[in-house]
Amino acid sequence: EPEVTQTPSHQVTQMGQEVILRCVPISNHLYFYWYRQILGQKVEFLVSFYNNEISEKSEIFDDQFSVERPDGSNFTLKIRSTKLEDSAMYFCASSGTSGGAGETQYFGPGTRLLVL
Amino acid sequence: AQSVTQPDIHITVSEGASLELRCNYSYGATPYLFWYVQSPGQGLQLLLKYFSGDTLVQGIKGFEAEFKRSQSSFNLRKPSVHWSDAAEYFCAVELAGKLIFGQGTELSVKP
Repeated sequence: EPEVTQTPSHQVTQMGQEVILRCVPISNHLYFYWYRQILGQKVEFLVSFYNNEISEKSEIFDDQFSVERPDGSNFTLKIRSTKLEDSAMYFCASSGTSGGAGETQYFGPGTRLLVL
Repeated sequence: AQSVTQPDIHITVSEGASLELRCNYSYGATPYLFWYVQSPGQGLQLLLKYFSGDTLVQGIKGFEAEFKRSQSSFNLRKPSVHWSDAAEYFCAVELAGKLIFGQGTELSVKP
């Protein structure tokens, strides 16, 4: 069964450093998402991406964040200058054709980011 | 604003006992509702979803959920819990393609 994969599973970085989190969505999916979960808090939507551009972003997704689909398979989240409060589990998800109306989003296992 | 509330942060049940996890939502229109499960080290796996029609929906692993519009609820149930059901369970509502999650309920199963 196809699945969403994410690398690395864990990342430790120093405050102010740039990190890139990588995701490989399910191959025939067209819509891609990033969510995050700060320890002890809800899973929060960050951004959705379709046709090589951002469809929607939350207020969390400020200028320090960016997303990219550099090739036909990868989907990345870049945090330019990490802050302590960026420490969280980051989930990538993908969905098929409509990107809404109840279409199932398939999630990866997450990348746990720790900013020191 | 749209929101999802899971009142129980942690529930413990005995293996073989029945289970009900509560979920309440705040949403103006007919919602698309989901239950996901997260086992340790795993991603979020869809258990079931509700769009319209029959208010009792069946999912994987023997789970079911009932949509009650009058109570703004979408509670998850299982008649007999197995030790492998120990995990964290998330209720979510979809808003324009993005999922809004509840805070999750951690389920422990005792022998």
